[in-house]
Amino acid sequence: KQEVTQIPAALSVPEGENLVLNCSFTDSAIYNLQWFRQDPGKGLTSLLLIQSSQREQTSGRLNASLDKSSGRSTLYIAASQPGDSATYLCAVPKAYGQNFVFGPGTRLSVLP
Amino acid sequence: KAGVTQTPRYLIKTRGQQVTLSCSPISGHRSVSWYQQTPGQGLQFLFEYFSETQRNKGNFPGRFSGRQFSNSRSEMNVSTLELGDSALYLCASSLETSFDGYTFGSGTRLTVV
Repeated sequence: KQEVTQIPAALSVPEGENLVLNCSFTDSAIYNLQWFRQDPGKGLTSLLLIQSSQREQTSGRLNASLDKSSGRSTLYIAASQPGDSATYLCAVPKAYGQNFVFGPGTRLSVLP
Repeated sequence: KAGVTQTPRYLIKTRGQQVTLSCSPISGHRSVSWYQQTPGQGLQFLFEYFSETQRNKGNFPGRFSGRQFSNSRSEMNVSTLELGDSALYLCASSLETSFDGYTFGSGTRLTVV
């Protein structure tokens, strides 16, 4: 059974800091992993989708890496801004082509 | 390119009533998945539809049902509402499977009183 955990549960940092969010999953036989952000009361916005053949993906100030063998992914946010404040969730498929299983999220607050 | 559209955005219903939520996926996407999000349980998978057929199902009671139309639009229905059904219901569309990644709608906030 695929289970996903995220550490830390919450994080508060001053503006401008670089930070790392962690995601762990129990079944390493995954085909991809997706990172999302969610603003309070809103839907999920896709940030990065990493296929298992890739080691990392980058979009602007965001960089996500995937290490299947250790069952981990990290999301790196460079030069954080108050607008980055949100909950960040990672998701991996239950099995190939099946539904995503989500972690509980990391709630990020970036203070001006 | 239009995103995933969910309607309505907010609903207030009384215990025992039923409710229907709608989701229009991105044009060309054939898979629609539904999730329930609550503060205590996080995001939980309800079901997935592909080509008008339910392809996967989560662990929810039979009061939760859905369908998909030939244009890929999907509806989910909850009958005999309970207070515990209060949640944010999210719809995600993908081209074929989760391998293609998900795009989510803004969700429907259901409150049962």
